[in-house]
Amino acid sequence: TQLLEQSPQFLSIQEGENLTVYCNSSSVFSSLQWYRQEPGEGPVLLVTVVTGGEVKKLKRLTFQFGDARKDSSLHITAAQTGDTGLYLCAGGAPDSWGKFQFGAGTQVVVTP
Amino acid sequence: NAGVTQTPKFQVLKTGQSMTLQCAQDMNHEYMSWYRQDPGMGLRLIHYSVGAGITDQGEVPNGYNVSRSTTEDFPLRLLSAAPSQTSVYFCASSPEILADGNEQFFGPGTRLTVL
Repeated sequence: TQLLEQSPQFLSIQEGENLTVYCNSSSVFSSLQWYRQEPGEGPVLLVTVVTGGEVKKLKRLTFQFGDARKDSSLHITAAQTGDTGLYLCAGGAPDSWGKFQFGAGTQVVVTP
Repeated sequence: NAGVTQTPKFQVLKTGQSMTLQCAQDMNHEYMSWYRQDPGMGLRLIHYSVGAGITDQGEVPNGYNVSRSTTEDFPLRLLSAAPSQTSVYFCASSPEILADGNEQFFGPGTRLTVL
């Protein structure tokens, strides 16, 4: 069983600050996805990374996949209150046909 | 397109009762799945289907049954509800099996409480 550990569990920052959340595993993943979930709703995909060392940018969000494809990070620059939410990483292991595993998530709260 | 719809939104059951959580998608997606979300544990895969007539178990399948008679619908059945099944249940769909890069589209969830 490949486990995805996310850290920190909770993060509270003020608008304008930067933040980074992490997703780590001892196993290799063929791809990794980041989702954001708002209260009372289902998760919504932000990005998928598939190549070791890959960096993707989505406006103020920067996603990185580790060289060994065992870890990933999400960095938010100049956070806004609209960035508040639960950030989940999900990985597809090379031998887990049809199944994605999710981390427990990082709850991010951005205050004005 | 309505996307992925789930009914009911909220449900309270007594221990031992049975019920079916409904999930439908109008995107002609082949892959559908059910997850449960519990505090501090993320989403855990219950069952999934790669097409009509084909289902398989996920990480936590005990106490749940599924069937996939059509591409659009993927109901989740609780045979005899237990308090441990109190959770928020999400249905998701994807254009095809979760190969690299395929996005899962999630429904709004069903919040189930078993007393």
